[in-house]
Amino acid sequence: DVKVTQSSRYLVKRTGEKVFLECVQDMDHENMFWYRQDPGLGLRLIYFSYDVKMKEKGDIPEGYSVSREKKERFSLILESASTNQTSMYLCASSWTGKKGYTFGSGTRLTVV
Amino acid sequence: AQSVTQLDSQVPVFEEAPVELRCNYSSSVSVYLFWYVQYPNQGLQLLLKYLSGSTLVKGINGFEAEFNKSQTSFHLRKPSVHISDTAEYFCAVSTWGNQGGKLIFGQGTELSVKP
Repeated sequence: DVKVTQSSRYLVKRTGEKVFLECVQDMDHENMFWYRQDPGLGLRLIYFSYDVKMKEKGDIPEGYSVSREKKERFSLILESASTNQTSMYLCASSWTGKKGYTFGSGTRLTVV
Repeated sequence: AQSVTQLDSQVPVFEEAPVELRCNYSSSVSVYLFWYVQYPNQGLQLLLKYLSGSTLVKGINGFEAEFNKSQTSFHLRKPSVHISDTAEYFCAVSTWGNQGGKLIFGQGTELSVKP
């Protein structure tokens, strides 16, 4: 089974800190995605990448950036964390749209 | 643009009762449809998907869903639920030919199965 691993399950950071969320997949998937999940809002797409060094904005990219230097790794960066970025962050990867995604277990980030 | 609406935010049901979780989508092009389940403190797991062909799709854990193109719906059903089915369920849509298959998710439905 393909595995998508997120480096931290729980993270607490201070307002203004630069935060890195790491995601690694082990099945050579082309596509990787970052979502945030909030109660009542479902999953909202932050950024995605179809190839190494390639990125595209999703629906809510403000306050975030990403990096994909290697095919298996997709990092989400909060340039200056704010309390409204407290959320569950989910990483996913896929081959194509037909197969759906494989998700990581999520990182619950709290910004204080 | 595509969108997904899950009509119920919470569905309480007794064990061994049937359940239906409703999902409607909007899209001007043909779509792929998915249902995911999220157990507490876990990531999302694929339950089932509709790509083409038969409109009745069977998935894991006894769930099934029916694609209705005229009503733009993809409702999830299970004839008899267990306590272990308590989880949040997400409907999602992706369009044909969409590079990388970007998924648009609904808001989620919390299924609570009571003894």
